[in-house]
Amino acid sequence: DTAVSQTPKYLVTQMGNDKSIKCEQNLGHDTMYWYKQDSKKFLKIMFSYNNKELIINETVPNRFSPKSPDKAHLNLHINSLELGDSAVYFCASSQEGTGNTEAFFGQGTRLTVV
Amino acid sequence: AQRVTQPEKLLSVFKGAPVELKCNYSYSGSPELFWYVQYSRQRLQLLLRHISRESIKGFTADLNKGETSFHLKKPFAQEEDSAMYYCALSGRIAGTSYGKLTFGQGTILTVHP
Repeated sequence: DTAVSQTPKYLVTQMGNDKSIKCEQNLGHDTMYWYKQDSKKFLKIMFSYNNKELIINETVPNRFSPKSPDKAHLNLHINSLELGDSAVYFCASSQEGTGNTEAFFGQGTRLTVV
Repeated sequence: AQRVTQPEKLLSVFKGAPVELKCNYSYSGSPELFWYVQYSRQRLQLLLRHISRESIKGFTADLNKGETSFHLKKPFAQEEDSAMYYCALSGRIAGTSYGKLTFGQGTILTVHP
């Protein structure tokens, strides 16, 4: 059973397009996150949600819009894609939002903007 | 602000040699420190956390508040230890009960036969 699953695993798209990445967790966790891993493997938090409420919005361009329809899902929609958006995007979840509990990660979505 | 620094991007050792992956942090409060590992073609997963004081796969890490460090050590490296290692710090978001997990830049460990 996959605990945190993301789709798609790979995404290649042209500049200017709009795309979405979906994330689902079946662990019953209250908190979900999106992280971006750039070409240098630097892993940086983008957003976190706790029970569908936005907790962290880490100076991400407003072309990025997270959506949490319920606490098991956190989708990431990106408008007007740019070359610099190319990265691996990781979804994660944790039992609660203090940051002191283990975070479980998805397998990542490799986004390539051409 | 909270910051995690892993000064070594790449670290290579031979099998059986000791290994130490360095991690330094900056945080004004009382931190929670973690090491996460990503093996080839696998997802990022928790290796150990300072609060549990346990040894996982032979790895240990001691929180040194005086030096603001949380170095990861293993006395005898194995080839299967080759992976990307991330040090992470959890700090409370001011004015809330929520925390934020901040990662270092990561260190790629290669253990040669």
